Amino acid sequence: DTEVTQTPKHLVMGMTNKKSLKCEQHMGHRAMYWYKQKAKKPPELMFVYSYEKLSINESVPSRFSPECPNSSLLNLHLHALQPEDSALYLCASSQDSRVRGYEQYFGPGTRLTVT
Amino acid sequence: AQRVTQPEKLLSVFKGAPVELKCNYSYSGSPELFWYVQYSRQRLQLLLRHISRESIKGFTADLNKGETSFHLKKPFAQEEDSAMYYCALRMVSGSRLTFGEGTQLTVNP
Repeated sequence: DTEVTQTPKHLVMGMTNKKSLKCEQHMGHRAMYWYKQKAKKPPELMFVYSYEKLSINESVPSRFSPECPNSSLLNLHLHALQPEDSALYLCASSQDSRVRGYEQYFGPGTRLTVT
Repeated sequence: AQRVTQPEKLLSVFKGAPVELKCNYSYSGSPELFWYVQYSRQRLQLLLRHISRESIKGFTADLNKGETSFHLKKPFAQEEDSAMYYCALRMVSGSRLTFGEGTQLTVNP
């Protein structure tokens, strides 16, 4: 299995809702990433997990809460989001976040709409 | 701080014509450079990285440290090359990928 999978594909939520995005990989990668991508813009890094520990938080608002329950799974918990948080949320993984030469594999993304 | 610049937001060429997508970077150390491609309704995927010096789908890119550039080239563009192309940089010690703003390539028949 050489893919990163993400669920759900689409999510519509109100500003008072709590929801979660899920990302999974079975390539034995030890680094996992969350990105946010607005239309016609490049991905913006949000979080990096390395060996199940949070290693980078790009000053993301606390209404986004990442979780890495094990080396194959990455969640993003959402609470009290704003309409401007509507975007495509991408998950990626790589063999190791600290070593050069390892590419990041991206999932298809979850299209989030906040109403 | 590191920065990646792709000067062209949009690039349009005819099928069979050569194509060059420009990428310039600023970084004081020794970077790792990548080209990622995003076809319509598909996931972002790696096209090339400078370390491997390979040719993928007829595309090549050479790292020019003097000019701090990593331009993507293909001698004969095909319609299926139409996509959004992102140049990206990773620092020596980092896990962080810094992306350029992207170039939307359209290859016309």
